[in-house]
Amino acid sequence: QQKVQQSPESLIVPEGAMTSLNCTFSDSASQYFAWYRQHSGKAPKALMSIFSNGEKEEGRFTIHLNKASLHFSLHIRDSQPSDSALYLCAVSRTGFASALTFGSGTKVIPCLP
Amino acid sequence: DAGVTQTPRHEVAEKGQTIILKCEPVSGHNDLFWYRQTKIQGLELLSYFRSKSLMEDGGAFKDRFKAEMLNSSFSTLKIQPTEPKDSAVYLCASSPGTLSAETLYFGSGTRLTVL
Repeated sequence: QQKVQQSPESLIVPEGAMTSLNCTFSDSASQYFAWYRQHSGKAPKALMSIFSNGEKEEGRFTIHLNKASLHFSLHIRDSQPSDSALYLCAVSRTGFASALTFGSGTKVIPCLP
Repeated sequence: DAGVTQTPRHEVAEKGQTIILKCEPVSGHNDLFWYRQTKIQGLELLSYFRSKSLMEDGGAFKDRFKAEMLNSSFSTLKIQPTEPKDSAVYLCASSPGTLSAETLYFGSGTRLTVL
């Protein structure tokens, strides 16, 4: 059974700084990797996803995937107060939503620089 | 388009009570999911429906948890009887169910507190 673990559990990030969130998975046959963001009391919303090894950038957010290391990460640059949220990583063996396994999340807490 | 709607937003129950949580998926979506979210365990899948058919019932949650899809636009999750360890946020999500790399659309959840 797929195990997905996130680190750290929480992160205090100065406004304007860059931060990295980590996700490791156990199933080497995994094909689809995604990040969801959940603001306090709100619904989780899809942020970004990737299939292939390498990097994908969208605005201030970059996903980096290394399948051989069973690891992918989310990098957030120029941290903003609106980034305050719980970030959930998710992994699927098949690429279908029905096979997604989620991590427990990393809570990002922006602070004044 | 309306998103996923969950009611109620908050529920308080006494131990042993029966509670029913409700979910309306995004119109036209074929897949519907129920998850339980806690700080320790994260998101745990409780049930998964495809075109109203139950595809997965979450193993460990079978005995007191029962999800149903009465029609393509309405689902319920019944917990009977409730126990204090059931205190959590219950999330409903839907997806089109036709392609890979599909996004899950979540509701805002029901926060359940069992006393």
